[in-house]
Amino acid sequence: DIQMTQSPSSLSASVGDRVTITCRASQSINNYLNWYLQKPGKAPKLLIYSASSLQSGVPSRFSASGSGTDFTLTINSLQPEDFATYYCQQSYITPRTFGPGTRVDIK
Amino acid sequence: QVQLVQSGAEVKKPGASVKVSCQASGYTFTTYAISWVRQAPGQGPEWMGWISAYNGNTDYAPKFQGRVTMTTDTSTNTAYLELRSLRSDDTAVYYCARDRGPQDHWGQGTLVTVSS
Repeated sequence: DIQMTQSPSSLSASVGDRVTITCRASQSINNYLNWYLQKPGKAPKLLIYSASSLQSGVPSRFSASGSGTDFTLTINSLQPEDFATYYCQQSYITPRTFGPGTRVDIK
Repeated sequence: QVQLVQSGAEVKKPGASVKVSCQASGYTFTTYAISWVRQAPGQGPEWMGWISAYNGNTDYAPKFQGRVTMTTDTSTNTAYLELRSLRSDDTAVYYCARDRGPQDHWGQGTLVTVSS
């Protein structure tokens, strides 16, 4: 299985801050990398697919980049509704695997 | 709009089986696969496998091989997940999701509690 890691595991930030989360795959996954946001008690929500494509309806303050094994998610001007846990996931091969998550909370 | 509506919470004893349903609407059901993802309390999501709604082909995560069966009923646009020989560590919220590579639409989740 492809192992996914994320850093940091958690961070504290303020409304308006710029936040960057990184994700690393244990082998190359080309650009088959997705980012999800999850709030407590809710299903994950797709933000980014294919490493850098914004899912329909997702605000443009979210952006992402990367290819191969290293990827980043950036949130420009953090909003109150962005405080949540973020997961990366590879869809290069099955079993699809998720990272352990990055919790973003309010400073 | 795309919607995936799952069946309600279940409580099962160890060794029993559970079957969770997921009814899709708002799109052509046979165009996409359905993935099943579970999330144990306080843990991250775990992909269990997927089923093609077009031809019923399945791909299960090795961890669940032999204990899981995924099926679809195209007459009702419903996908099913059956998990057998339940253990306490199968206690989790089980989600279905439309799969087009990424999982772009998710059901609301079904809590399955395994307890004696």
